[in-house]
Amino acid sequence: SAVISQKPSRDICQRGTSLTIQCQVDSQVTMMFWYRQQPGQSLTLIATANQGSEATYESGFVIDKFPISRPNLTFSTLTVSNMSPEDSSIYLCSVSGGANEQFFGPGTRLTVL
Amino acid sequence: DAKTTQPPSMDCAEGRAANLPCNHSTISGNEYVYWYRQIHSQGPQYIIHGLKNNETNEMASLIITEDRKSSTLILPHATLRDTAVYYCIVRGYNTNAGKSTFGDGTTLTVKP
Repeated sequence: SAVISQKPSRDICQRGTSLTIQCQVDSQVTMMFWYRQQPGQSLTLIATANQGSEATYESGFVIDKFPISRPNLTFSTLTVSNMSPEDSSIYLCSVSGGANEQFFGPGTRLTVL
Repeated sequence: DAKTTQPPSMDCAEGRAANLPCNHSTISGNEYVYWYRQIHSQGPQYIIHGLKNNETNEMASLIITEDRKSSTLILPHATLRDTAVYYCIVRGYNTNAGKSTFGDGTTLTVKP
């Protein structure tokens, strides 16, 4: 299994600002995934981050709003830009295991005022 | 990925077996059934997966019907710490790795 850490664990931000969330994995992985979980909702995939290439975004998510970096095989960042209260969510980083099972980080709980 | 249907909520008495059903009637031959759970305020946790044979690990058992159109996750001796949202997901083994479509899941409440 993979051990994933995220920073920050939670934050309260003002409208119009940006927040960068970090994800660190204890092993090298090809793909990392970013999910969003809005209050009371299930998880929704934002994008897939491959090292050395641009992230692939799911329908409804755009790079200008959620820029992603993937500088190496154990680290990724997700930035939530120009935040509004609708961006208040838990943001989760994930990687796949050998049997294509997924491992998730503890999440970053974001509140936008 | 095939769509799954789960009851929105279930209760279980502590120490009893919790049986969580999942319907996936449109599953195709190369798709696996994965189960995860999410304890409040934590990231989802992988539990178990299977193709057509029943599977068991230290956390749970997975029973898949012969026609593969439904499955049941069994927690043999539920504890209060098993209270969580349980997600059943169907997808190909080597396709869309990591891109799971999460439904609403089943909220399991284990009661003393």
